[in-house]
Amino acid sequence: GDSVTQMEGPVTLSEEAFLTINCTYTATGYPSLFWYVQYPGEGLQLLLKATKADDKGSNKGFEATYRKETTSFHLEKGSVQVSDSAVYFCALSDPEGGSQGNLIFGKGTKLSVKP
Amino acid sequence: DAGVTQSPTHLIKTRGQQVTLRCSPKSGHDTVSWYQQALGQGPQFIFQYYEEEERQRGNFPDRFSGHQFPNYSSELNVNALLLGDSALYLCASSLGVSGGRQETQYFGPGTRLLVL
Repeated sequence: GDSVTQMEGPVTLSEEAFLTINCTYTATGYPSLFWYVQYPGEGLQLLLKATKADDKGSNKGFEATYRKETTSFHLEKGSVQVSDSAVYFCALSDPEGGSQGNLIFGKGTKLSVKP
Repeated sequence: DAGVTQSPTHLIKTRGQQVTLRCSPKSGHDTVSWYQQALGQGPQFIFQYYEEEERQRGNFPDRFSGHQFPNYSSELNVNALLLGDSALYLCASSLGVSGGRQETQYFGPGTRLLVL
């Protein structure tokens, strides 16, 4: 079945450091890919998405490119801030495949940014 | 524009009891999905409602049931609570499927359930 694997955390960075959180997926169809962010004590917020191969999603300085050849959707940010500290979830939606269009999530990666 | 709202925010129950959680979707959305997020894990899909019917269901027992009302709001009911049901329950709303592709889901803040 469909699945999402993301790098395990926690990830600790200094402010202004470069961030990469790896995400790979397995899908039987042609999924849409998402990054969601969860701040402490809150629900999930959509960070960015991409719906087809080679699409780049971007928001608030974060970027991710849908790479079909490597089945990846890595999250990057050039300069992190303390306010970026949160848990980041990679997810897919695969209407033609096993997930029937609902979201399948990775386990999440906790990011801590120190001043 | 109000986003997805959920109530209550926190709930404490004992084993064997029943619980009802409520969700109001984002304005204009007609589809509601429910997810369970155990501590330190990613959310797991429970089921989805559209046009007042359960359209899809994840791998959860029949103790988990739901309902959608004509105004698109939804309830999640869990019977015979187990300790393992302790989790954050998230509601997400969307415009359903467009052109065969699932529209983006927007999440509420969740209800944190503790079963003692």
